[in-house]
Amino acid sequence: IAGITQAPTSQILAAGRRMTLRCTQDMRHNAMYWYRQDLGLGLRLIHYSNTAGTTGKGEVPDGYSVSRANTDDFPLTLASAVPSQTSVYFCASSDSGGAGDEQFFGPGTRLTVL
Amino acid sequence: GQNIDQPTEMTATEGAIVQINCTYQTSGFNGLFWYQQHAGEAPTFLSYNVLDGLEEKGRFSSFLSRSKGYSYLLLKELQMKDSASYLCAALDSNYQLIWGAGTKLIIKP
Repeated sequence: IAGITQAPTSQILAAGRRMTLRCTQDMRHNAMYWYRQDLGLGLRLIHYSNTAGTTGKGEVPDGYSVSRANTDDFPLTLASAVPSQTSVYFCASSDSGGAGDEQFFGPGTRLTVL
Repeated sequence: GQNIDQPTEMTATEGAIVQINCTYQTSGFNGLFWYQQHAGEAPTFLSYNVLDGLEEKGRFSSFLSRSKGYSYLLLKELQMKDSASYLCAALDSNYQLIWGAGTKLIIKP
């Protein structure tokens, strides 16, 4: 059982380039999330999806887009990367997104934008 | 605004007890989570409290006071492997988690 996988593990990207971070879960969870984690700050929600076919904006959505074509996959796209998007990105999922639902996290993608 | 406060760093001795405090202010409240995160790894779930009181799970316990906007995580019989960051997160009225910056716990022999 893999749980949640993310790819790539790490990436160095030139500013202005387009980049898609991949996330796949095999737990049949309805809800999925993208967070970024920066030193000294808490995890910040970028986008979320409560079920396949729907997405919503989190706290810091600017510069990012997501899609949820099916239950398992939730890719995050940076249309034109900027240095402030240098961060560790975590994908997570939960059963329904309701109260008490534990979120399961992927191993993260370390992204550096130069 | 929404805010989670927890100490940046704490140090404790192997075998001892440590309490990590967390205060929260959120628009609506649907529970309080604690996660553990080892350096370079993903967060993993420790506990969830939605009612006032203490929840015990082995060496770890978590307490919640909704009226005070306060929670703590209690770790007993500390082991070296408990060296990690402990993240406090409150679930707001939109069922989104608001995260604290984490408390780095250093365990000394």
